[in-house]
Amino acid sequence: KNEVEQSPQNLTAQEGEFITINCSYSVGISALHWLQQHPGGGIVSLFMLSSGKKKHGRLIATINIQEKHSSLHITASHPRDSAVYICAVQETSGSRLTFGEGTQLTVNP
Amino acid sequence: GAVVSQHPSWVICKSGTSVKIECRSLDFQATTMFWYRQFPKQSLMLMATSNEGSKATYEQGVEKDKFLINHASLTLSTLTVTSAHPEDSSFYICSALAAANTGELFFGEGSRLTVL
Repeated sequence: KNEVEQSPQNLTAQEGEFITINCSYSVGISALHWLQQHPGGGIVSLFMLSSGKKKHGRLIATINIQEKHSSLHITASHPRDSAVYICAVQETSGSRLTFGEGTQLTVNP
Repeated sequence: GAVVSQHPSWVICKSGTSVKIECRSLDFQATTMFWYRQFPKQSLMLMATSNEGSKATYEQGVEKDKFLINHASLTLSTLTVTSAHPEDSSFYICSALAAANTGELFFGEGSRLTVL
């Protein structure tokens, strides 16, 4: 069993739909990161969370430390949101990250 | 926001040659940088942790003599793939931890290596 599991692996949505990507982890963490990777490969850090909820534009990230679960929500999805979304946890023992497998999101116009 | 620059963004080399990839933090100091490797359709795998002024810490299974890491300053870490072989073809990405220890990580754009 992976230490970080994401679901779904693939997600196809229509423009405007509300999207949720889930991340569960099994280790103790100091922070959880949501990352976005576009087809070219470059990675953008979307959120770093240690508790509660953060919002940036149409993106919302939540984390429940007790349940070891985080969700990334995209409101009013757009084709430009199409990318791979990766959950990564920063273990309490240091700065290294453990990555989930990623969720491939495709938003159709 | 903070920027991490990787260079080159892509490189093609012959088998047996060495390739150096640079990772620079452009507007902040990074005491720690990380090097990752990503094969197609797979997630990132941590190769090593690079600390300024000291030897890198390599993950299990990563050959330190093959993947040489140097972190000579607070803004630059380099990864050298020595005697590259086709199986080293991959996407290499670095990330930098801001020295202010906010825990924020900033990622480079990645470097795609193809070994012929």
